[in-house]
Amino acid sequence: DQQVKQNSPSLSVQEGRISILNCDYTNSMFDYFLWYKKYPAEGPTFLISISSIKDKNEDGRFTVFLNKSAKHLSLHIVPSQPGDSAVYFCAARGTGTYKYIFGTGTRLKVLA
Amino acid sequence: GAVVSQHPSRVICKSGTSVKIECRSLDFQATTMFWYRQFPKQSLMLMATSNEGSKATYEQGVEKDKFLINHASLTLSTLTVTSAHPEDSSFYICSAPAGGNYGYTFGSGTRLTVV
Repeated sequence: DQQVKQNSPSLSVQEGRISILNCDYTNSMFDYFLWYKKYPAEGPTFLISISSIKDKNEDGRFTVFLNKSAKHLSLHIVPSQPGDSAVYFCAARGTGTYKYIFGTGTRLKVLA
Repeated sequence: GAVVSQHPSRVICKSGTSVKIECRSLDFQATTMFWYRQFPKQSLMLMATSNEGSKATYEQGVEKDKFLINHASLTLSTLTVTSAHPEDSSFYICSAPAGGNYGYTFGSGTRLTVV
């Protein structure tokens, strides 16, 4: 059973517009969430994180929103740039563990 | 920042041979290393967790004798795919807890092709 889901396998956005990537989870015990970006044939790189005690975290063009009651988080990229084209994974973990569960990823394509 | 160096980045081997993948933490001590496998268009699937000086913990469905993991030092963990078959062809990635809020630091991955 997939505990972390990214229901959109792909997303295309025009350069300069907002990209919104969504992630849903089923385990209410998850308390820390990460977003990673991955280029083909490379390891993922960390983007941004959020703790369950917050509902928003912002870092430059990247903002992550967390809705605990809906068990939903989203990553907003504004403005989107062609270099943002990659696969984005969300990941979640429970308290006291580094064992993250990853979503299936969303491939973002930013069109110039 | 914390860096995990993974080698080789790409390897092609014949069926029946073994392949070793190395992951080194360059500027920190990795007491724990996670090994993932990624199939095309699928998520990162955790295979096993290695701990320095002790036996690795394998996820359900992962063959221990097939995927040998050794974590002999605080900076080196290895995954050996033994008697490789074409179905073992995949992208293998290691990662280590990097502390703070950064979750994992990932290696650059190894693309294994078994012919």
